[in-house]
Amino acid sequence: KQEVTQIPAALSVPEGENLVLNCSFTDSAIYNLQWFRQDPGKGLTSLLLIQSSQREQTSGRLNASLDKSSGRSTLYIAASQPGDSATYLCAVPNDYKLSFGAGTTVTVRA
Amino acid sequence: GAGVSQTPSNKVTEKGKYVELRCDPISGHTALYWYRQSLGQGPEFLIYFQGTGAADDSGLPNDRFFAVRPEGSVSTLKIQRTERGDSAVYLCASSLLAGGINEQFFGPGTRLTVL
Repeated sequence: KQEVTQIPAALSVPEGENLVLNCSFTDSAIYNLQWFRQDPGKGLTSLLLIQSSQREQTSGRLNASLDKSSGRSTLYIAASQPGDSATYLCAVPNDYKLSFGAGTTVTVRA
Repeated sequence: GAGVSQTPSNKVTEKGKYVELRCDPISGHTALYWYRQSLGQGPEFLIYFQGTGAADDSGLPNDRFFAVRPEGSVSTLKIQRTERGDSAVYLCASSLLAGGINEQFFGPGTRLTVL
């Protein structure tokens, strides 16, 4: 069974600092890995999807890396802003089901 | 085009009542998924439809939970005799085809509160 872990559970940084969010998974036989953002009381917004053949995926200030062999992915958010405050979740497919981590809750202080 | 939509956005009910939660997937998506997210946790898989049939309902917690997708589009998650422990956010997702290679797109969720 795929287990997904996200560390740390919470993170507080001053505005402008770069964010580094970690995701680890136990079964490296994955098709892809997806990062989501969730605002309080809201649904999931897809940020980035990295295919298993890729090592990195970038979108604006966001960059996600994937190391399948070590079972790790890292989401980097450059020059953080208060609007980046949210919970960030990673997920990997287990056949068709997504297995999620519990998320990292980020607070960016103005 | 429109994304996945879910109604209602919030539902408050009393213990023992019956509730229905609706999901409208992205048009043309054949696969539909239901997940449940408890406070402070990641979403957990409930059930998956390929077309009209439930291909995998192994995540449903007990027989009070049931879901249908009669015409292969809209799906309804039904919960009988609700309990306080059913309080959670219920998320629906759809993908063009089934299988882990296909990206799942999520709706805004229904927040269910059982008093």
